[in-house]
Amino acid sequence: ELKVEQNPLFLSMQEGKNYTIYCNYSTTSDRLYWYRQDPGKSLESLFVLLSNGAVKQEGRLMASLDTKARLSTLHITAAVHDLSATYFCAVDPYNAGNMLTFGGGTRLMVKP
Amino acid sequence: SAVISQKPSRDICQRGTSLTIQCQVDSQVTMMFWYRQQPGQSLTLIATANQGSEATYESGFVIDKFPISRPNLTFSTLTVSNMSPEDSSIYLCSVGRTDTQYFGPGTRLTVL
Repeated sequence: ELKVEQNPLFLSMQEGKNYTIYCNYSTTSDRLYWYRQDPGKSLESLFVLLSNGAVKQEGRLMASLDTKARLSTLHITAAVHDLSATYFCAVDPYNAGNMLTFGGGTRLMVKP
Repeated sequence: SAVISQKPSRDICQRGTSLTIQCQVDSQVTMMFWYRQQPGQSLTLIATANQGSEATYESGFVIDKFPISRPNLTFSTLTVSNMSPEDSSIYLCSVGRTDTQYFGPGTRLTVL
């Protein structure tokens, strides 16, 4: 059974600080997704990582994938309040771009 | 991207009743997916819906409880049958397109 573990599950940080969210998974996969969810909202796709060593950046967020270590990271640079949300990683065990297994989510709160 | 709509957006239902959730996509897709997000939790895949065949259910989900229809390539329904308070969740449909999986806005179900 595929397991996807995120840590931390909850993160409270000050504006301007840097931090990393980790996503470990238990089976081989070359596809990993990061999503953002605001309270009461659906999921917004942030990054799609499709190969070992993939790195993608958008604004203050940068995601990377190490398929050998079965690890993805989501790095936050100089956090701002607007980044407060829950972040999910999800693994595609069939490398087909469809059925996903989600991590438990990281609830991020950025304090002014 | 994909434009996905769901109806209803939310509902409050009595235990023992059933609710059918509709999902409409802006263009044809082979597979549609139904996920459940229990309060404060991550997402769990319920089933995969293919047009012209029976849905494929994940472990822990059965057709009698969550019957799914897929009458054409842009539409699917999920029924939550004989509801109990434990079924209170957000139900999301999802489709894959260009290596990304997109999610509908969700249906927030409360069972009293």
